[in-house]
Amino acid sequence: AQKVTQAQTEISVVEKEDVTLDCVYETRDTTYYLFWYKQPPSGELVFLIRRNSFDEQNEISGRYSWNFQKSTSSFNFTITASQVVDSAVYFCALSEADSGAGSYQLTFGKGTKLSVIP
Amino acid sequence: SAVISQKPSRDICQRGTSLTIQCQVDSQVTMMFWYRQQPGQSLTLIATANQGSEATYESGFVIDKFPISRPNLTFSTLTVSNMSPEDSSIYLCSVDRQNTDTQYFGPGTRLTVL
Repeated sequence: AQKVTQAQTEISVVEKEDVTLDCVYETRDTTYYLFWYKQPPSGELVFLIRRNSFDEQNEISGRYSWNFQKSTSSFNFTITASQVVDSAVYFCALSEADSGAGSYQLTFGKGTKLSVIP
Repeated sequence: SAVISQKPSRDICQRGTSLTIQCQVDSQVTMMFWYRQQPGQSLTLIATANQGSEATYESGFVIDKFPISRPNLTFSTLTVSNMSPEDSSIYLCSVDRQNTDTQYFGPGTRLTVL
């Protein structure tokens, strides 16, 4: 069974501070995908990044960066110079590459609510 | 990414009634997924809907309560039947467009049951 743990329920930072959201996962598969999604107050779930289990390269996209470490089963997300528009709930998710049902299933963490204070 | 729309965006319903939520995608997709997000909670998969076959339901969800239709490759509906206040949630559909192994989500339907 797969499991995703986001230990931080809520985080508050002051604008322009850096913040890291933690994600730890469990899976018995050797091939899997990891994701981060953002859910602003409007409710829509916005895809941010997908990482293949074979690709441990860190990625940077503007103010966002992701640190994938298989040795610690972690896929952490850092926002640099946070802005008020970053306020949202962030979900980490895991899917096995083949669930055996001809599809794949996403397992979500419980989410981390980030509040950026002006 | 896929352009996905849902109708209605929100609704307030009375106990015992049913609501049908529509999900429309701007291109053909093989699989569509329906999720429920209860207040302050994470997302839980309700079912996977393939065109031309019955939906596959996850443990804890049954067809009588959440009937799903998938008449073509761009459209699906989820009905929440005989609603109770416990059904108050955000319902989201998602698709894997172009078989990218990435699910893209619709804007969600925010349902309140009184």
